[in-house]
Amino acid sequence: DQQVKQNSPSLSVQEGRISILNCDYTNSMFDYFLWYKKYPAEGPTFLISISSIKDKNEDGRFTVFLNKSAKHLSLHIVPSQPGDSAVYFCAASEGGADGLTFGKGTHLIIQP
Amino acid sequence: NAGVMQNPRHLVRRRGQEARLRCSPMKGHSHVYWYRQLPEEGLKFMVYLQKENIIDESGMPKERFSAEFPKEGPSILRIQQVVRGDSAAYFCASSPSASGGNTIYFGEGSWLTVV
Repeated sequence: DQQVKQNSPSLSVQEGRISILNCDYTNSMFDYFLWYKKYPAEGPTFLISISSIKDKNEDGRFTVFLNKSAKHLSLHIVPSQPGDSAVYFCAASEGGADGLTFGKGTHLIIQP
Repeated sequence: NAGVMQNPRHLVRRRGQEARLRCSPMKGHSHVYWYRQLPEEGLKFMVYLQKENIIDESGMPKERFSAEFPKEGPSILRIQQVVRGDSAAYFCASSPSASGGNTIYFGEGSWLTVV
């Protein structure tokens, strides 16, 4: 049973436009959410996070939105750049608990 | 400040051999996590350790897999009598503590191929 779901295996976006990556979760005890970016043959790199007490967190071109009632979060990248092409993983944790639960990832492809 | 260091980056083993993967956490981090990524899958939690203690091994296969994080030295993920299905990327991550809201930082991964 997947507790963190990324339903789009891939997403293609034109350079300069907004990329929106979505993530749904089922465990209402999750209270901290993170996005990681991963290039082939490399480890995941932390991108941005959000605590459940917030509904938005922004860092440069990256913004994460959290809708707790819908158990949904999204990552917005604007403007999208070629270097953003990677696999993006959504992850979640329970307060004080061990480790993170990951989604299966979304492969973002930025078209020139 | 070095990040999470994993070695070897690539390891090839024949079926039945043992694989040992090492992980040195970031400086100042005392919590280590191991994740596995199978082809076409996301990262799956395997085990969480602090120095000399296994805190949560709920994601570890019941047989052939073990992990340790000794007082001195790196964390080791050991896979005995490897099978083809063990071929995967194994990622180690570390964090300064386990309190909620901590970001964990990943190493570059160790790619195990069983032939």
